[in-house]
Amino acid sequence: KAGVTQTPRYLIKTRGQQVTLSCSPISGHRSVSWYQQTPGQGLQFLFEYFSETQRNKGNFPGRFSGRQFSNSRSEMNVSTLELGDSALYLCASSEGPSSGNTIYFGEGSWLTVV
Amino acid sequence: QKEVEQNSGPLSVPEGAIASLNCTYSDRGSQSFFWYRQYSGKSPELIMSIYSNGDKEDGRFTAQLNKASQYVSLLIRDSQPSDSATYLCAVTGGSYIPTFGRGTSLIVHP
Repeated sequence: KAGVTQTPRYLIKTRGQQVTLSCSPISGHRSVSWYQQTPGQGLQFLFEYFSETQRNKGNFPGRFSGRQFSNSRSEMNVSTLELGDSALYLCASSEGPSSGNTIYFGEGSWLTVV
Repeated sequence: QKEVEQNSGPLSVPEGAIASLNCTYSDRGSQSFFWYRQYSGKSPELIMSIYSNGDKEDGRFTAQLNKASQYVSLLIRDSQPSDSATYLCAVTGGSYIPTFGRGTSLIVHP
């Protein structure tokens, strides 16, 4: 069974631009969660989608948004990029809501904002 | 605020020794506990999950859970240099999303 797939793996953006990251969960998994990981803050939860509905949201500004499609694939968008948005963005999928299921991470998308 | 605490390390052990990684959590309602390993520049990969008090063994890895004391630990027997990584503890339960510790850096030296 294929794992969680994230695209693109690496990208460089300029301050003020926007970026869209994509995630395909493990087949059969209906929940997708997004995390931001930086050396200083560790793993921080962004949001979770289950059956196309946002189930939970972390403490991030409104510039960070996401959505989930009917096939469980998910995208996250960051608008008006700031230097501090440089991070590893991780997508994780689980069969059901992450509160009661094991989550599996994708390889991540490395975002550098210059 | 649910908290998961880990010693950041680094924890340095010689090859062949037992590495002991610890994690404490604040929420007594926590039900599920996970250990992830993250190599530098890579994403976290699941090593083990544990749900009940006691020990759970998987190869060289043993997870230990003590809900009364609110701690979970990971033992790595016969440590190898390839075990050198950051180990993340994650806790979840009830209706809250997984909360991750900041991770413990493990260095296994030959």
